Amino acid sequence: DAGVIQSPRHEVTEMGQEVTLRCKPISGHNSLFWYRQTMMRGLELLIYFNNNVPIDDSGMPEDRFSAKMPNASFSTLKIQPSEPRDSAVYFCASSLNTGNTGELFFGEGSRLTVL
Amino acid sequence: AQSVTQLDSQVPVFEEAPVELRCNYSSSVSVYLFWYVQYPNQGLQLLLKYLSGSTLVKGINGFEAEFNKSQTSFHLRKPSVHISDTAEYFCAVSEPGSARQLTFGSGTQLTVLP
Repeated sequence: DAGVIQSPRHEVTEMGQEVTLRCKPISGHNSLFWYRQTMMRGLELLIYFNNNVPIDDSGMPEDRFSAKMPNASFSTLKIQPSEPRDSAVYFCASSLNTGNTGELFFGEGSRLTVL
Repeated sequence: AQSVTQLDSQVPVFEEAPVELRCNYSSSVSVYLFWYVQYPNQGLQLLLKYLSGSTLVKGINGFEAEFNKSQTSFHLRKPSVHISDTAEYFCAVSEPGSARQLTFGSGTQLTVLP
């Protein structure tokens, strides 16, 4: 079975450019999470969706960040304009929100470098 | 609010030696507890989880963890490690019936030496 699929795996861009990261969750999962991982701050939850609706975006660092989930099989995280401090690995994770067991399935991540 | 503390940021250990990675949590209610593993350049994957029942939980790759409610701990153990166990390990907690957010610890880098 296909896991969570993220693209691109690596992105190098210049400061000020728009960056779009994409995620396809596991089929049938109804919750989707975007995390950011850096050496300094560890793993941070940016936003999560339940049934395509954003539930909590309090982790989104600032207005330059936005996330959408137009349907159950696709989500995007956009940074516009990007800054060097946005350099990190961005993970998407999905889960089946049944029984509230909290098990997440992670993608392999998108490594973003902003020059 | 819940929080997770992983007491060791780095744990070096020789191959075939036992290892314990420590995790303490704080929460005002009952919790679910998890250990995730992250191999280099990969996402996190679930090692094991405690939801209820027996406090000793067995996971994949020979790992196990014990839930200790009085000490609010969920330490991860393996009796004999392999080189392939080198990875970062994350402890996480969630609250049943909550909005289902996992709170992760800061991670422990386990390095198995030959």
